[in-house]
Amino acid sequence: GENVEQHPSTLSVQEGDSAVIKCTYSDSASNYFPWYKQELGKGPQLIIDIRSNVGEKKDQRIAVTLNKTAKHFSLHITETQPEDSAVYFCAAIITGGGNKLTFGTGTQLKVEL
Amino acid sequence: GAVVSQHPSWVICKSGTSVKIECRSLDFQATTMFWYRQFPKQSLMLMATSNEGSKATYEQGVEKDKFLINHASLTLSTLTVTSAHPEDSSFYICSAILGPVNSPLHFGNGTRLTVT
Repeated sequence: GENVEQHPSTLSVQEGDSAVIKCTYSDSASNYFPWYKQELGKGPQLIIDIRSNVGEKKDQRIAVTLNKTAKHFSLHITETQPEDSAVYFCAAIITGGGNKLTFGTGTQLKVEL
Repeated sequence: GAVVSQHPSWVICKSGTSVKIECRSLDFQATTMFWYRQFPKQSLMLMATSNEGSKATYEQGVEKDKFLINHASLTLSTLTVTSAHPEDSSFYICSAILGPVNSPLHFGNGTRLTVT
């Protein structure tokens, strides 16, 4: 089955700096890669996603890049703010193949003032 | 606003009792819903896939007789933890596909279950 690795497990940045979280996946058939933000005591919230036919996608301060050859995808957050502090999960899925997400292990992002 | 509603948000029960958790899709029909379990500081682990009008598909290692799933309508799936034990204490989260099969998964806000 699919295996998704995520790094780093914790990340601390100063407010205004950029944060980058990286994930790798094992199944080349995976074609959809969402990123979720989870605040304490809440369910994951979809913040951005990318499909395998696209190399990069941006939404305001958040961007995701995908390297299908290397099976890497990354989340980039620019101009970080304290409210960005949360746990971020990457995930991979083969759409149409049951739509079962495989999650990464999560990154605890802390944005310090 | 939220597209997946989960209830209750937290529940405390005694060992041996059963607890039912509801997951509702708001403003759309969800033929498939998913149930996840999350331990503190860990990732989400898929427990089962809930299919409307048919039996749920359980992941390896998940006891189907302990975690009963019912998906009787296109907007409601329920997870019942039967004969709960302290080790069942966890954060349970449901999700649903919003729209066609290639649409994103959206999650409920989870249910914190504590078994005493």
